[in-house]
Amino acid sequence: GDSVTQMEGPVTLSEEAFLTINCTYTATGYPSLFWYVQYPGEGLQLLLKATKADDKGSNKGFEATYRKETTSFHLEKGSVQVSDSAVYFCALSARGAQKLVFGQGTRLTINP
Amino acid sequence: DAGVTQSPTHLIKTRGQHVTLRCSPISGHKSVSWYQQVLGQGPQFIFQYYEKEERGRGNFPDRFSARQFPNYSSELNVNALLLGDSALYLCASSLDDKYEQFFGPGTRLTVL
Repeated sequence: GDSVTQMEGPVTLSEEAFLTINCTYTATGYPSLFWYVQYPGEGLQLLLKATKADDKGSNKGFEATYRKETTSFHLEKGSVQVSDSAVYFCALSARGAQKLVFGQGTRLTINP
Repeated sequence: DAGVTQSPTHLIKTRGQHVTLRCSPISGHKSVSWYQQVLGQGPQFIFQYYEKEERGRGNFPDRFSARQFPNYSSELNVNALLLGDSALYLCASSLDDKYEQFFGPGTRLTVL
C-alpha cells in the first residue's frame, strides 16, 4: 500500500540556519503530496502542497518540489526562526482520493 | 469564519467503556474525515463521510463506527475501549470529497 517515510527526528537548529526535512513516498500512480505542520496543542495546518511531478509548493518561506524520479518531496527553508518550532508531517493522497497517508512526523526545535 | 470544531477537548475513560466524539465542519463543507494520532506517530485514517454516506474506511476494527448528520456534523464512536485507543482524534472537513481538508484541534482521549 501507499506509504510515506520521513527523516528521523528530533531536529534541533539555531535561528537563521538552513532547514531540510527529507520525505520519500511509495505509491501507485501519481499522488498529490503535502506538508502539514502541527504546533503544540493544535491540530494540523496545511503548509504547502504539489499535485504533479516537478511542481514546487511554497508558503511562509518553506518550499518542496515533487520529484517523481526519486519519489521525494523534501521540505526546505533558507533561514528558520524560533516560531518555526513544531512537528512537520509529510503526506500523500492517491489520485482521485482524499484519504491522507502521513509519515511519522519530524519534531523541529529552533533555538535563538 | 469558525474553523472545524471538536468536542470534547479532553476525555478520560476506562477500559471497556464506550466513547462518542463530535465534530462540526466548516460552514458549507460536506465532507468529514476522522484520523487517529497516537503519540509520536502520524495520523492514521479512520473514516471519511460525504453527503452522509461512508466514502472510505481505514484499517480499524469494527469497534470504531461513525456517522454524519443532515447538518454535516459527525460523530465517531468507539466501543469496548482498549488502552491502545488512547490517542488524539482529529476531524477534518472539506467542501467535497476532493478538495483540501481542514483539520480541527482534536480530542485527546485517554483510556485507563
